[in-house]
Amino acid sequence: GNSVTQMEGPVTLSEEAFLTINCTYTATGYPSLFWYVQYPGEGLQLLLKATKADDKGSNKGFEATYRKETTSFHLEKGSVQVSDSAVYFCALSDQAGNQFYFGTGTSLTVIP
Amino acid sequence: GAVVSQHPSRVICKSGTSVKIECRSLDFQATTMFWYRQFPKQSLMLMATSNEGSKATYEQGVEKDKFLINHASLTLSTLTVTSAHPEDSSFYICSARDQGSRVSNYGYTFGSGTRLTVV
Repeated sequence: GNSVTQMEGPVTLSEEAFLTINCTYTATGYPSLFWYVQYPGEGLQLLLKATKADDKGSNKGFEATYRKETTSFHLEKGSVQVSDSAVYFCALSDQAGNQFYFGTGTSLTVIP
Repeated sequence: GAVVSQHPSRVICKSGTSVKIECRSLDFQATTMFWYRQFPKQSLMLMATSNEGSKATYEQGVEKDKFLINHASLTLSTLTVTSAHPEDSSFYICSARDQGSRVSNYGYTFGSGTRLTVV
C-alpha cells in the first residue's frame, strides 16, 4: 500500500541555519509527491510538489527532489527564517490522483 | 488560483449538540471533496470522500451516523458532527479537487480548517 514516513520533530533551528526534513515513501505505480505547510492556527498550504522522478519542486527558498531510487523527497532550505516556523507535512498522491497520504508532520521552530 | 472556503474556523459546542461545518469551492466546481481530521501533533487522517449527488464514502473506523456528510451541489459539502462529545474535539479540514485542472497537476486545494471544541 501507499504510505509516507517523515522525520519526527520537533526541530528547533537558529535563524539562517540549514534545514533538512527527511521524507521517504512507499507507493505502487508512479505517485506525485508534495510538501504542505501549516502555520499556527491555519489550514494546509501547498509548499511545493513534484510529479515524476528527478523532478525538483521549489518555492520560497525550499526545495525537494523526487528520488525514485531511494524513494525519498527530502525538504531542504539553505537559510531558514523565523517566519518559517510551522508544521511541515510530506504527502503523496496515488497515480490516479484520488487520494492523499500524509506523513505525521514535522514541527519546525526557528529562533532569532 | 483555486480557493476553498471552510466555515466556521472555530466552534465551541456543548456535549450532545450537533455542529455543521461547511466547505465551499469558490471559483471552481468540485464533484469530489475530502474531509480530514487532525489530532494534536498527529497527521491528517482521511475521514471520508464526499461525492456530489451521492452518498459519501467513509474510511474504515469512521462512524457514518456520527459524521454526516452532504454534498448537495458542485461547490458545497457539509460535515455535521452529531451528538458531539469531548473526544470529537479536533481540527477538521476539507479539500477539493479542481475538476478543470489536468490530472497531472493534481489540483487539490485545502480549506483553512475548523477547530472544534466540545465542552
